[in-house]
Amino acid sequence: NAGVTQTPKFQVLKTGQSMTLQCAQDMNHNSMYWYRQDPGMGLRLIYYSASEGTTDKGEVPNGYNVSRLNKREFSLRLESAAPSQTSVYFCASSTGSNYLGYNEQFFGPGTRLTVL
Amino acid sequence: DQQVKQNSPSLSVQEGRISILNCDYTNSMFDYFLWYKKYPAEGPTFLISISSIKDKNEDGRFTVFLNKSAKHLSLHIVPSQPGDSAVYFCAAMVVTGGGNKLTFGTGTQLKVEL
Repeated sequence: NAGVTQTPKFQVLKTGQSMTLQCAQDMNHNSMYWYRQDPGMGLRLIYYSASEGTTDKGEVPNGYNVSRLNKREFSLRLESAAPSQTSVYFCASSTGSNYLGYNEQFFGPGTRLTVL
Repeated sequence: DQQVKQNSPSLSVQEGRISILNCDYTNSMFDYFLWYKKYPAEGPTFLISISSIKDKNEDGRFTVFLNKSAKHLSLHIVPSQPGDSAVYFCAAMVVTGGGNKLTFGTGTQLKVEL
């Protein structure tokens, strides 16, 4: 059981370049999430997918797009990278929308992105 | 508007003593509060949670206390061990039918010294 996996682990981009961050989970979870972590800011939600076929904006969606490719995979795309998007990106998953009540989120190891 | 606040960026305690990490929130609609622990170059891992209708939850060395009237919660670690050195994030959740989004605090770096 790999849990939540993310690729790549590190990436350096030039301003204006595009890239896609990949995330996959093998826990049969319904919900998936993308966060970014910046110094002094904690983790902030970019986009989430409550279930396969749905996506919604989080707190900081500008400059990003997402695709829920199937139940396992949730990708984050930067169409035209900016230095303000330099951050550590975490993907997470949880059992999610099929029941009301608390369910914890499981996080991947992160992707460290630098935009020059 | 930061709904979840951790006002202490760092805390240093001696091995064997108690560590107390604090968290304040402003949104009275939160249903659950969670603590996550994060080591460098790893993702956060879940530690312990508490429902908004409880005032205490205990799991081994970790206890979380919730004071709803003060909108304050705290995580107690007793006894503290060197392996507890990490960044601790407080997070809060409103339960909805579609994906339970977490709102995180800014984290507290705990250092447990020998």
